[in-house]
Amino acid sequence: NAGVMQNPRHLVRRRGQEARLRCSPMKGHSHVYWYRQLPEEGLKFMVYLQKENIIDESGMPKERFSAEFPKEGPSILRIQQVVRGDSAAYFCASSPALGQPSYEQYFGPGTRLTVT
Amino acid sequence: AQKVTQAQTEISVVEKEDVTLDCVYETRDTTYYLFWYKQPPSGELVFLIRRNSFDEQNEISGRYSWNFQKSTSSFNFTITASQVVDSAVYFCALSVPQGGSEKLVFGKGTKLTVNP
Repeated sequence: NAGVMQNPRHLVRRRGQEARLRCSPMKGHSHVYWYRQLPEEGLKFMVYLQKENIIDESGMPKERFSAEFPKEGPSILRIQQVVRGDSAAYFCASSPALGQPSYEQYFGPGTRLTVT
Repeated sequence: AQKVTQAQTEISVVEKEDVTLDCVYETRDTTYYLFWYKQPPSGELVFLIRRNSFDEQNEISGRYSWNFQKSTSSFNFTITASQVVDSAVYFCALSVPQGGSEKLVFGKGTKLTVNP
């Protein structure tokens, strides 16, 4: 039973380029959370999605960042026109539906984005 | 608003010493969940424990134990007889179910170094 998959594991982009980060949840999970970890910081919530719906985007920067979780395929976090301050580790976590007895968030290995 | 404070930024101990990592949380909600995660140097996030607000019973798992005290809003983590492999950054986190979301609010982490 595969865990949460994220790719790429490392991504280097020049300023102004676009970054696309992918997250495939665990089998049977329909909920995805994205978190960002800046250097020497804890993780900060960005967005929570269910299939085809954004439930909570209160942590997303207002500009340049977007997320989707289509009916088919992985969840994607997109950062347009990247800047050096976007350099961070981006983690996604998947969970089963709320109310499940063992509800918890399972984290992927993260994508380390470096903007040069 | 929810907040998690891990006052200890870094701790260094010698192997076989016991060490306690402190976690203080803030929330006005009566239903919430507390977590501990381990982030080893390889960077992934490893789930350690989840505890709901209605269960104040302390928990022990091998060399790990957790002390949950609602009266002081604390959820401390103790490693007994520490080992070099315990060296990692440890994060305490809080989630409050709201609007269908259970996003995690993380502390800034405590970096534990266990020296041989």
